[in-house]
Amino acid sequence: DAGITQSPRHKVTETGTPVTLRCHQTENHRYMYWYRQDPGHGLRLIHYSYGVKDTDKGEVSDGYSVSRSKTEDFLLTLESATSSQTSVYFCAIGDRGTGELFFGEGSRLTVL
Amino acid sequence: AQRVTQPEKLLSVFKGAPVELKCNYSYSGSPELFWYVQYSRQRLQLLLRHISRESIKGFTADLNKGETSFHLKKPFAQEEDSAMYYCALMVQGAQKLVFGQGTRLTINP
Repeated sequence: DAGITQSPRHKVTETGTPVTLRCHQTENHRYMYWYRQDPGHGLRLIHYSYGVKDTDKGEVSDGYSVSRSKTEDFLLTLESATSSQTSVYFCAIGDRGTGELFFGEGSRLTVL
Repeated sequence: AQRVTQPEKLLSVFKGAPVELKCNYSYSGSPELFWYVQYSRQRLQLLLRHISRESIKGFTADLNKGETSFHLKKPFAQEEDSAMYYCALMVQGAQKLVFGQGTRLTINP
């Protein structure tokens, strides 16, 4: 497996609380991505990064923010969690040219 | 806008039978397509990409630009093929993958 870890792996929180998920890589890949996986919707891109401090929105970015202050870490923040953000979140890394992404094990978030 | 559609949420076949997982795409540029697979308790991983024109674990997929399709096929299904399969499209320039809704394949003994 590629050197990519997500934390926490499981989290239960209440509506209105802030939540931060962390993705850490040891592969020095330029690109990092956050996806959410929901039944019937597959994987949908939330935000992605193409370098330190360079980020862009994906198709479901509302309610989420990201930061990448160094190559190895990509943080996903839910400023005020809602029940609709209950999901499994996947981080992925990749480099230009191959189209191959390496995925983390996922973080299961439940918002009550 | 780019879009990937997998019309079947669930697909169940018997061991030894042929398998075809359907994928259609919508994209204005030159498409670069992939199949990813997620086995039980494993990470999502690349299965194959169309530019390689390779066969992985007996699976093949041919890009049909006329029908905007990239269906995944295997002539004889094995029980270990049971998994979640995602078709994905690379958006050039942005270097991001757009995924379909996924198809859960179950191979019955």
